Amino acid sequence: GESVGLHLPTLSVQEGDNSIINCAYSNSASDYFIWYKQESGKGPQFIIDIRSNMDKRQGQRVTVLLNKTVKHLSLQIAATQPGDSAVYFCAENVPVQGAQKLVFGQGTRLTINP
Amino acid sequence: NAGVTQTPKFQVLKTGQSMTLQCAQDMNHEYMSWYRQDPGMGLRLIHYSVGAGITDQGEVPNGYNVSRSTTEDFPLRLLSAAPSQTSVYFCASSYAPGYEQYFGPGTRLTVT
Repeated sequence: GESVGLHLPTLSVQEGDNSIINCAYSNSASDYFIWYKQESGKGPQFIIDIRSNMDKRQGQRVTVLLNKTVKHLSLQIAATQPGDSAVYFCAENVPVQGAQKLVFGQGTRLTINP
Repeated sequence: NAGVTQTPKFQVLKTGQSMTLQCAQDMNHEYMSWYRQDPGMGLRLIHYSVGAGITDQGEVPNGYNVSRSTTEDFPLRLLSAAPSQTSVYFCASSYAPGYEQYFGPGTRLTVT
């Protein structure tokens, strides 16, 4: 079945270090992948996305890597800051007759230690 | 631009009551969807709509109804609330399937 999972439910890093959050997906037909950041009491906030025809995409301090061979997605955050503390979700877009079905992973809580 | 707005922010219902969660967006997005988020879990798709007059079921549609009479609004109705529907509900919209989804702030619903 379709599932998106995360290898680690929690991750603690020192401020200024780089962090890597991993995600496994199961549907080989998924064509679009997104990372969201969710702070307490708020809705998910888009961070970065990548389409299935790419293997790497960079944003400001963030990089997403996609390995379709092993169905693996990762989010790298450079020089982490206290404001990066949040829960991070990966999501895969499963095409459903021209519609969009986002399947979310469980989430990883990232804590930045001073 | 208000983005995606949801009302109410909090709601407590008794088992068997019905209510409507409101969602509106001012970005002229065709695609809208409803998710629920339970503790320790990711978001699960309840219903979605690819445009006015068109809706379809997501992953967990039972106990919920939706309609899309305008591009801007996508209300979610709980027909007969059950404790299992205690959750945080998020509405989202995007330009089209496969594009960035913008999420509302959520409605925290408790059913006793």
